[in-house]
Amino acid sequence: NAGVTQTPKFRVLKTGQSMTLLCAQDMNHEYMYWYRQDPGMGLRLIHYSVGEGTTAKGEVPDGYNVSRLKKQNFLLGLESAAPSQTSVYFCASSYWEQPQHFGDGTRLSIL
Amino acid sequence: AQKITQTQPGMFVQEKEAVTLDCTYDTSDPSYGLFWYKQPSSGEMIFLIYQGSYDQQNATEGRYSLNFQKARKSANLVISASQLGDSAMYFCAMSLSASKIIFGSGTRLSIRP
Repeated sequence: NAGVTQTPKFRVLKTGQSMTLLCAQDMNHEYMYWYRQDPGMGLRLIHYSVGEGTTAKGEVPDGYNVSRLKKQNFLLGLESAAPSQTSVYFCASSYWEQPQHFGDGTRLSIL
Repeated sequence: AQKITQTQPGMFVQEKEAVTLDCTYDTSDPSYGLFWYKQPSSGEMIFLIYQGSYDQQNATEGRYSLNFQKARKSANLVISASQLGDSAMYFCAMSLSASKIIFGSGTRLSIRP
């Protein structure tokens, strides 16, 4: 009964370091998404994927890269972390035009 | 401009009362979906209810109903018989396509015993 699993749950980075956030879903969903949520705000779409091997930019893609090599996994990379990327990151998945299932979030702090 | 507006940053409601959370949206696209999500203090996002732009009837899911008024471009969430566990942030969202999913800024609902 896993649904959408995000790893890690918490991470602290120094400015300039790189890291990868992993999202895994076991619902055979075609669509996967990465969002960020900043204090007092709703979610903003970073990147999304409509199927294995495809990715596309969302509203706030700068500073992030993604890959979807396997249908069940969607990776979000920060090549050179900046303090402005301190946020809570959510992954979600869905079928087309269906409600999205969210992971529990990753709290990322950049010092 | 396409956007979602939630005008109530915070609300306090007495337990067992009904509560309406406001959401207005703006789009010229004829096809869209409207969602409500609940975010408890633990942080996860929980899907509550969905309304498609072509749906004739208002969506209902247990104690949740969506009051969809297309002409007014509003999609208010109604929670009947509120419970202490309903205390959370509530987000309204609009889906126009896979790349166009817009969230409101949220309403923090607090239920008083």
